[in-house]
Amino acid sequence: AQTVTQSQPEMSVQEAETVTLSCTYDTSENNYYLFWYKQPPSRQMILVIRQEAYKQQNATENRFSVNFQKAAKSFSLKISDSQLGDTAMYFCAFMREYGNKLVFGAGTILRVKS
Amino acid sequence: GAGVSQSPRYKVAKRGQDVALRCDPISGHVSLFWYQQALGQGPEFLTYFQNEAQLDKSGLPSDRFFAERPEGSVSTLKIQRTQQEDSAVYLCASSPAMLGRTGYTFGSGTRLTVV
Repeated sequence: AQTVTQSQPEMSVQEAETVTLSCTYDTSENNYYLFWYKQPPSRQMILVIRQEAYKQQNATENRFSVNFQKAAKSFSLKISDSQLGDTAMYFCAFMREYGNKLVFGAGTILRVKS
Repeated sequence: GAGVSQSPRYKVAKRGQDVALRCDPISGHVSLFWYQQALGQGPEFLTYFQNEAQLDKSGLPSDRFFAERPEGSVSTLKIQRTQQEDSAVYLCASSPAMLGRTGYTFGSGTRLTVV
């Protein structure tokens, strides 16, 4: 079974600075998908970024980018130019190549301070 | 609709009461998922529908949990004889594809509190 570990329960960052959230996972599969979701107090899970394991190039979405290290089974999220609206719970998630279930980590609370 | 709609937003149930949670997915989305999120935890998979067919219910924690999607659109998650450990946020998500690799669209969830 796949597992996802987020070792940072809470993180803080000053507005406009950069922060990196860590995620490691365990799988025996070669192809799969990785996701970062944001959950603000409204509770709605919002997709931030996704990565296909067979692609070596790290995914980027505006201020959000990932550092995907397949051999190390690591998938960290970097948020540049942090904004107050980035304050939320962030979840890392894994999906098998032909699967449908998302396996989530326990989450990291990110607080952006002004 | 424009997004995934869930109702009610909050539900308080007395222990032993039956509850029904509703999910209205994005129109035309083939796949529908239910997740349970305990306080301070990540969501955990409960069940998956492709149109009206329930293809995976391996995450349902007991036979008190039942989900249906009779016409392939709206889904209902029913919990019978609720217990305190059922207290959680129940999230619904939908996807236009049969596989979820592009990511889902989630609703805002129903927070169930069993007292």
